[in-house]
Amino acid sequence: GDSVTQMEGPVTLSEEAFLTINCTYTATGYPSLFWYVQYPGEGLQLLLKATKADDKGSNKGFEATYRKETTSFHLEKGSVQVSDSAVYFCALSDPDLDKLTFGKGTLLTVNP
Amino acid sequence: DAGVIQSPRHEVTEMGQEVTLRCKPISGHNSLFWYRQTMMRGLELLIYFNNNVPIDDSGMPEDRFSAKMPNASFSTLKIQPSEPRDSAVYFCASSLNNGETQYFGPGTRLLVL
Repeated sequence: GDSVTQMEGPVTLSEEAFLTINCTYTATGYPSLFWYVQYPGEGLQLLLKATKADDKGSNKGFEATYRKETTSFHLEKGSVQVSDSAVYFCALSDPDLDKLTFGKGTLLTVNP
Repeated sequence: DAGVIQSPRHEVTEMGQEVTLRCKPISGHNSLFWYRQTMMRGLELLIYFNNNVPIDDSGMPEDRFSAKMPNASFSTLKIQPSEPRDSAVYFCASSLNNGETQYFGPGTRLLVL
C-alpha cells in the first residue's frame, strides 16, 4: 500500500538557518504530493503541493520538488524564521485511492 | 469563506458518557474526512464520506465510534460510551473531490476523565 516516510524530529534551528525536511514515498500509481503545516493549537493547512514529476511547489519561501526517480519530495527553506516553528506533514494522494496518506510529522522549532 | 467549522472546540467529559462532535464542511465540497491526532499515534484517518456516503470506515477504532453525514453541510462523529483512551484532538476536513487538497477545521480537543 501507499506510504510516506519523513525524517523524525524534532528539528531545532537558529533563525536564518537553512531547512531541509526529507520525505520519501511509496505508491503504486502517480500520486500528487503535499506538504501541510500545523501551527500550535491549529488544524493542518496546505503549505504547497506538486501534481506530477519534476513539478516544484512553493509558498512562503518553502519549496519542494517532485522527484519520481528518487520517490522524494523534500521540503526546503533558505532562511527560517521563528514564526516557521510548527509541525510539518508530508502527504500523498493516489488517484486510485480516495484519501491522503500522511507521514508522521516533523516538529520544527526555530530559536531567535 | 468561513472554512471548515467544528464544534465544540473543547470537550471535557467523564468516562461512559456520550460525546458528539460536529462538522460543517466548506460549501460545495463533496468529500469529508474525520481524523484523530494523538502524541502516540500521530494523525489517523477514521472515516471519510463522498457525496454523503461513507466510503471507508476501516480507521474507526471500534463499535463505540460512529459517524453520520445526513446532508452535504453537516456531519457528526459520536463516541458512546467514551473512554479515557479516546482523549485526542479530532479534526474534520473537506475537499472538492477525492484526492484533492483537504481543508482542515480547527479541531475538537476531547478529554475523557
